[in-house]
Amino acid sequence: DAKTTQPPSMDCAEGRAANLPCNHSTISGNEYVYWYRQIHSQGPQYIIHGLKNNETNEMASLIITEDRKSSTLILPHATLRDTAVYYCIVREYNNNDMRFGAGTRLTVKP
Amino acid sequence: DAGVIQSPRHEVTEMGQEVTLRCKPISGHNSLFWYRQTMMRGLELLIYFNNNVPIDDSGMPEDRFSAKMPNASFSTLKIQPSEPRDSAVYFCASSFSTGQGETQYFGPGTRLLVL
Repeated sequence: DAKTTQPPSMDCAEGRAANLPCNHSTISGNEYVYWYRQIHSQGPQYIIHGLKNNETNEMASLIITEDRKSSTLILPHATLRDTAVYYCIVREYNNNDMRFGAGTRLTVKP
Repeated sequence: DAGVIQSPRHEVTEMGQEVTLRCKPISGHNSLFWYRQTMMRGLELLIYFNNNVPIDDSGMPEDRFSAKMPNASFSTLKIQPSEPRDSAVYFCASSFSTGQGETQYFGPGTRLLVL
């Protein structure tokens, strides 16, 4: 039980922002939202995580709603190399058991 | 930094044979994880170690699977005897765990095919 709901697939034009939504309506107060991605045939790659504030790093931005029941991962300028499956994961900060769901398959098109 | 290293990258074996997958975590990391990925079940955590000690093996499918971590720089996942349903990609990941959360870094995976 992955605790999150994501659309199975999305398309994005190269150079445009990719906005990937995630629903986690049962999230508890001590659970963080993590995002990983898996490019074809590779191991999952960490992108970003957050608790309740918006976060930004060199790869992406994470926007978490005030009620924390949903979040959006933003890739500001998608490239063809961003084509991957993106996983939204809810987990306690000190819990090593990460439950990967089916994720969203993002296809960036030229 | 070389990242997490797994070997072999591909393994083809026959049903009933013993299979050993190997993992070298990132130097300095103290937690190590074994995952299995299939089309049907997605990515599943099998077992994880902290400071070389198995902490949670509830994801190990059955007694045919065993994992060891004899030292901080090496771990093995063994399947004996192997069965066709064990065919999957097996990932190893490592992290530096302080009990305050950490990022897991994944290796490239071992693609196992059991005929």
